[in-house]
Amino acid sequence: QVQLMQSGGGLKEPGASVKVSCKASGYTFNSYVISWVRQAPGQGLEWMGWINPYNGNTDYAQTLQGRVSMTTDTSTSTAYMELRSLRSDDTAMYYCARGRVSYSSSSSFKYWGQGTLVSVSS
Amino acid sequence: EIVLTQSPGTLSLSPGERATLSCRASQGVSRNYLAWYQQKPGQAPRLLVFGASSRATGIPDRFSGSGSGTDFTLTISRLDPEDFAVYYCQQYGSSPSTFGGGTKVEIK
Repeated sequence: QVQLMQSGGGLKEPGASVKVSCKASGYTFNSYVISWVRQAPGQGLEWMGWINPYNGNTDYAQTLQGRVSMTTDTSTSTAYMELRSLRSDDTAMYYCARGRVSYSSSSSFKYWGQGTLVSVSS
Repeated sequence: EIVLTQSPGTLSLSPGERATLSCRASQGVSRNYLAWYQQKPGQAPRLLVFGASSRATGIPDRFSGSGSGTDFTLTISRLDPEDFAVYYCQQYGSSPSTFGGGTKVEIK
């Protein structure tokens, strides 16, 4: 069965960087776009962007441009999201999600990771 | 950027009642690429409906989505105790993908 297992995150100081991992299993990793979504405490969902493991193409939310990088390691079926210059308002649960439709960035999110909490505080 | 406005913010209903949730887009959603998710505390969202009206695999038929263009609706025909949660709509037809602010369905 499809699984997305996340790791990383934790408590970070303002200005630091964080890198969250999302290890996929149960399907052909290169065939599905991985998206990242975050949720601040008690708030709604915010789309951060996506990466296509097949060709490395990315699309980032404009609000995060310049601070976020999404990459993949196809040899380990793992996607990564790095966020730099962390601020207190980056405190959130970070989710990776896989599209429902293969080879498409225009797809709803059928499978989700369990989430990784990133807290930014001095 | 397409802004999605969900209403009401909170819906207070009893088990067995019908729930009607609205999601209105600031401009037309391309190809009606509109999804609905359910989220319970401490859990990741769960896909209920995609393409405005197609139920995801394993979703009970009491959940139904409808609408097109800028106005979309999620209907829960008879609320089960496990349905009390927060519901989000999402458009994924154009970049950036965006989510609505959510509707909380609570027990009356």
